[in-house]
Amino acid sequence: GESVGLHLPTLSVQEGDNSIINCAYSNSASDYFIWYKQESGKGPQFIIDIRSNMDKRQGQRVTVLLNKTVKHLSLQIAATQPGDSAVYFCAETFSGSARQLTFGSGTQLTVLP
Amino acid sequence: GAGVSQTPSNKVTEKGKYVELRCDPISGHTALYWYRQSLGQGPEFLIYFQGTGAADDSGLPNDRFFAVRPEGSVSTLKIQRTERGDSAVYLCASSLGGSITSGNTIYFGEGSWLTVV
Repeated sequence: GESVGLHLPTLSVQEGDNSIINCAYSNSASDYFIWYKQESGKGPQFIIDIRSNMDKRQGQRVTVLLNKTVKHLSLQIAATQPGDSAVYFCAETFSGSARQLTFGSGTQLTVLP
Repeated sequence: GAGVSQTPSNKVTEKGKYVELRCDPISGHTALYWYRQSLGQGPEFLIYFQGTGAADDSGLPNDRFFAVRPEGSVSTLKIQRTERGDSAVYLCASSLGGSITSGNTIYFGEGSWLTVV
């Protein structure tokens, strides 16, 4: 399943399928990006990050892709599991404001059994 | 402690009252952040401390909001004359220090849910 982030804030996928969550960031000067997972009633949890000098970074079951030309970021989750159900946020920052993260509005991922 | 600790977890207060929210960061973390998250939105930056000083308070919405970190560890976010629009989850986070872009992971607490009635 695939979302377009701000335009489709919810995404439902079957357990075992791959998920793609998209994010359009706003600041062309941003040079560091983070994906967070937030479960209900909890704080955001770091998933994976990427710097602007990279196009792709892989973690455990997750991959982040960065397209600076169109200011687009995506999070791919392989073999989605019920525990992946949460809201996913992308966050951006740039070296000139390296203490502030600017978060997107998030995508609610629901994994169906 | 093992993670960022915030108290209270929930606070209901009347419009016009004063509120304090406390954050206990991860031991050894010199950087501390406050964010505010409204329902259905992403967190918004409020203030950043490096040690005892507020290095960046550009996100505080107005002078009713103030935060301190007198000994470089625990921080308190103070809200005067609360308004219904202040209702939100207030998230505290900490990191080892240095620039975010240096890859210092920011760890968030579970937040203090403030409701102003």
